[in-house]
Amino acid sequence: NAGVMQNPRHLVRRRGQEARLRCSPMKGHSHVYWYRQLPEEGLKFMVYLQKENIIDESGMPKERFSAEFPKEGPSILRIQQVVRGDSAAYFCASSPQPDRLFYNEQFFGPGTRLTVL
Amino acid sequence: SQELEQSPQSLIVQEGKNLTINCTSSKTLYGLYWYKQKYGEGLIFLMMLQKGGEEKSHEKITAKLDEKKQQSSLHITASQPSHAGIYLCGAVPPGNTGNQFYFGTGTSLTVIP
Repeated sequence: NAGVMQNPRHLVRRRGQEARLRCSPMKGHSHVYWYRQLPEEGLKFMVYLQKENIIDESGMPKERFSAEFPKEGPSILRIQQVVRGDSAAYFCASSPQPDRLFYNEQFFGPGTRLTVL
Repeated sequence: SQELEQSPQSLIVQEGKNLTINCTSSKTLYGLYWYKQKYGEGLIFLMMLQKGGEEKSHEKITAKLDEKKQQSSLHITASQPSHAGIYLCGAVPPGNTGNQFYFGTGTSLTVIP
């Protein structure tokens, strides 16, 4: 059973370009989470998605960032018109249906390291 | 929002030494997770603690959640170079139905052979 897969592992973009980060959850997992790790900072939650639905995007910047998890295919985190401050490691995690009693083991992918020149 | 503070921020130890990493929460913890991150890699799940006073071990790593459920410690016995990495504690806030973690800022561990 393959783990969470993310691609590309490294992405270099110039300011103003678009970045597309992909995440394939573990087999059988229908919940995907995106986190961002800025240099010298901790991991911060961005968005939580189920298939075809955004459940919680409270951690997502209001502009330029969007996420989707279509019925078929990987989840995509899209950053339009990238700026240098977007340079970070972006991690995706997946889980099965979260337990209502707070149990929620999330399995993390290796991350995509975005560098904006 | 829930805040998790880890200490120390970084740690350098000689191989074979014991060490402890602490994670303190501003609110009651309903689920505390420990992960390890190596540079260039994702997070590796280590342990999850839910009950006050709970203690779990895996190989040479032991994690505890205190009775009041606001602090957890991770203890490594006889450290090895393979233990090096960044250790992160993560928590699910109370009332949260499992949609996001809050993470501590991490503790960077270096083990000198």
